[in-house]
Amino acid sequence: QVQLVQSGAEVKKPGASVKVSCEASGYTFTSHYLAWVRQAPGQGLEWIGWINPNSGATSLAPNFRAWVTLTRDTSSSTAYMELNGLKSVDTAVYFCARWGITTRAPDFWGQGTLVTVSS
Amino acid sequence: QSALTQPASVSGSPGQSITISCTGDSSDLGDYSLVSWYQQQPGKAPKLMIYEGTKRPSGVSDRFSGSKSDNTASLTISGLQAEDEADYYCCSYAGGRAVLVVFGGGTKLTVL
Repeated sequence: QVQLVQSGAEVKKPGASVKVSCEASGYTFTSHYLAWVRQAPGQGLEWIGWINPNSGATSLAPNFRAWVTLTRDTSSSTAYMELNGLKSVDTAVYFCARWGITTRAPDFWGQGTLVTVSS
Repeated sequence: QSALTQPASVSGSPGQSITISCTGDSSDLGDYSLVSWYQQQPGKAPKLMIYEGTKRPSGVSDRFSGSKSDNTASLTISGLQAEDEADYYCCSYAGGRAVLVVFGGGTKLTVL
């Protein structure tokens, strides 16, 4: 079965960086784009962007282009999201999600990684 | 502020039907956008309930249905059950936009 397992919660100081991982299993990693979405406490979902695991090409929403980097390691079927220059407003749960070929929507989601930014 | 507008909350009694609306402009919910709906239980990841506006993934109850008319998408849940209590989000995908995917602000469904 499709599974996306994310790395554990992180606590960072303002200005720091963090790298969140998302290990995929149960499907061919390179056949599906891998998306990232965040959810601030008590708030809704916000699109960050996606990576094509086959080519490594990425597309990021404008608000994230200057400080977010998406990468992948096909040998371990793992996608990574690096967040740089963290601010307190970036405190959120960050989800990875597989982009469905048939559904053309995020169809399977990781459990989420809480990133807390606090001095 | 979300590009897609949903009511903050809806409620219904067990067995009843409810509908959650999702409105946007033509760039968000026009003919070339694909609408999906997600259910999110507290502390959990979202779950895909509807895709391409009206289709249900395997395993999703047929009590859940989606529709779209002009720039409004709707999610209807019939035969409400206590387990349906959750937050629901609409989502629009349209290639060519600066932001490929936009979400609604979410609707809290309370089963009375």
